Amino acid sequence: GDSVTQMEGPVTLSEEAFLTINCTYTATGYPSLFWYVQYPGEGLQLLLKATKADDKGSNKGFEATYRKETTSFHLEKGSVQVSDSAVYFCALSPNNAGNMLTFGGGTRLMVKP
Amino acid sequence: EAEVAQSPRYKITEKSQAVAFWCDPISGHATLYWYRQILGQGPELLVQFQDESVVDDSQLPKDRFSAERLKGVDSTLKIQPAELGDSAMYLCASSTTFGDEQFFGPGTRLTVL
Repeated sequence: GDSVTQMEGPVTLSEEAFLTINCTYTATGYPSLFWYVQYPGEGLQLLLKATKADDKGSNKGFEATYRKETTSFHLEKGSVQVSDSAVYFCALSPNNAGNMLTFGGGTRLMVKP
Repeated sequence: EAEVAQSPRYKITEKSQAVAFWCDPISGHATLYWYRQILGQGPELLVQFQDESVVDDSQLPKDRFSAERLKGVDSTLKIQPAELGDSAMYLCASSTTFGDEQFFGPGTRLTVL
């Protein structure tokens, strides 16, 4: 079945550091890929998405590129802020399978001033 | 901005008791999802509705869990009897029929003692 694997956290960075959170997936066909963010005490929010190979999703300074050859969708940000501290989830939605999402285990990011 | 509403936000119960969670999706969203998120893990889909019909409930433990969406709007998820292993965050999400983006509610955190 489909699966998503994320790097384990927590990831601890100083403010303005560069962020990479790795995500790889296993799926048949051509899934859509997503990054969701969960701030403390809140529900998940869509951060960015990409629906086909080589697409780059971007939002709020975060970006991720859909790499079919390496089945990866790594999340990056050039300069993190304390307010970026949250749990980040990589997810996929199978093509032609409605909107069902398969999530990775999540990676907690902690940014220190 | 329209949001997915869930209640209660927190629920503490003893094992063998019955519990129920309520979700009100964004107006006009035909698709509704219930997820279970165990602490430290990613959300796992329990059930998906399209209007009032169940599209997928393959991961729903049907011996103790039930879900309904009688009028195709709000939904209730019930557990009877609750077990210790049911302690988790229960998330509701909704989406338009043809869109990929799911909008999540804040969740109900269940603790079973």
